[in-house]
Amino acid sequence: NAGVTQTPKFQVLKTGQSMTLQCAQDMNHNSMYWYRQDPGMGLRLIYYSASEGTTDKGEVPNGYNVSRLNKREFSLRLESAAPSQTSVYFCASLRGTVKETQYFGPGTRLLVL
Amino acid sequence: RKEVEQDPGPFNVPEGATVAFNCTYSNSASQSFFWYRQDCRKEPKLLMSVYSSGNEDGRFTAQLNRASQYISLLIRDSKLSDSATYLCAVVLSGGFKTIFGAGTRLFVKA
Repeated sequence: NAGVTQTPKFQVLKTGQSMTLQCAQDMNHNSMYWYRQDPGMGLRLIYYSASEGTTDKGEVPNGYNVSRLNKREFSLRLESAAPSQTSVYFCASLRGTVKETQYFGPGTRLLVL
Repeated sequence: RKEVEQDPGPFNVPEGATVAFNCTYSNSASQSFFWYRQDCRKEPKLLMSVYSSGNEDGRFTAQLNRASQYISLLIRDSKLSDSATYLCAVVLSGGFKTIFGAGTRLFVKA
């Protein structure tokens, strides 16, 4: 039982390049989330998927797209990376009730030059 | 005003000290509240949920004050291993969106 996994762990991109961050969970959770974490800003919600087949914008969705591929997988795509997207990206999942905690993946460190 | 605000610290305390953190939230319809712990360069992990009646887990006590819209975390008898960043998290009405505070850094010194 791996919990939440993310790939890649590290990535360096040039401005304008695209990439997809992968996230998978094996806990049969309904909801999945993408956050970015910047110094002094805490975790900010980019997109979330309350259940398979649905996605919604969070606080900072501009420049990103997501796909809930199936119940296990939720990917985040940067179509044209910008230096402002340099950050640590965390994926999280939640079984689906308000009282329950989120489980986080180990994060992807992205540097955009 | 941010939806969830925390004092960033850092709090520097000696081993054995008691330290308290507060976190204020702006949305009065918020449903659930949590404290997470985040070690350097690691993912956040749940420390404890926060209930209206308050709850305690060993040296840690969490409380919720809905009238004043804040939650608190009290750590007694601090250990070196308590050094970390503590994030508060607020689940908004609807149940799916969680807003995190920016975190409070704690350093416990020998």
